[in-house]
Amino acid sequence: EAGVAQSPRYKIIEKRQSVAFWCNPISGHATLYWYQQILGQGPKLLIQFQNNGVVDDSQLPKDRFSAERLKGVDSTLKIQPAKLEDSAVYLCASSLVSGGPGETQYFGPGTRLLVL
Amino acid sequence: GNSVTQMEGPVTLSEEAFLTINCTYTATGYPSLFWYVQYPGEGLQLLLKATKADDKGSNKGFEATYRKETTSFHLEKGSVQVSDSAVYFCALSDTGTYKYIFGTGTRLKVLA
Repeated sequence: EAGVAQSPRYKIIEKRQSVAFWCNPISGHATLYWYQQILGQGPKLLIQFQNNGVVDDSQLPKDRFSAERLKGVDSTLKIQPAKLEDSAVYLCASSLVSGGPGETQYFGPGTRLLVL
Repeated sequence: GNSVTQMEGPVTLSEEAFLTINCTYTATGYPSLFWYVQYPGEGLQLLLKATKADDKGSNKGFEATYRKETTSFHLEKGSVQVSDSAVYFCALSDTGTYKYIFGTGTRLKVLA
């Protein structure tokens, strides 16, 4: 079974530029998550989709971050314009159903973003 | 609000030593508890989990027991290997929303 795929793996941009990350979840997984992991910290949830609807985006800085999940499969996360504090690893995860009790989330390898 | 607290690292051990990484949590209700491991350059992988009090999760020689009375989920392994060197994250799944809340991670270094 293929895992969660993400691209690119690394990205370096200058502040005020825009950047986009792509995620392909495990086939058949209904729920998709984007996390931000700042160096030395645990992952923090940015947005959760169930199929192609948003379940939780309370931690997403909506003035600069946007995300979509068209057709309930792939997803893209965009930052525009980027700030220095956006330097982090962006992790995509998926789960089979709807994030129920004890449900396992499967993580991709992440995209490491450096904003100069 | 809900939170997870892990012991600070790095933890440095010799091969075959006993490992304990402490994890305590604050939550209402009965959250599910997880340990994830992150190897260098990779994403997080589920190591083990427990969904109710007194459950013991185990995998690859690692164990953790869900202790409701002490709100803890400490990770243990009897004999670590160099290949266990990684960052370990404790997490809970919030009761109701099931949102994951992660600790800050504990880096483990195992020396040959």
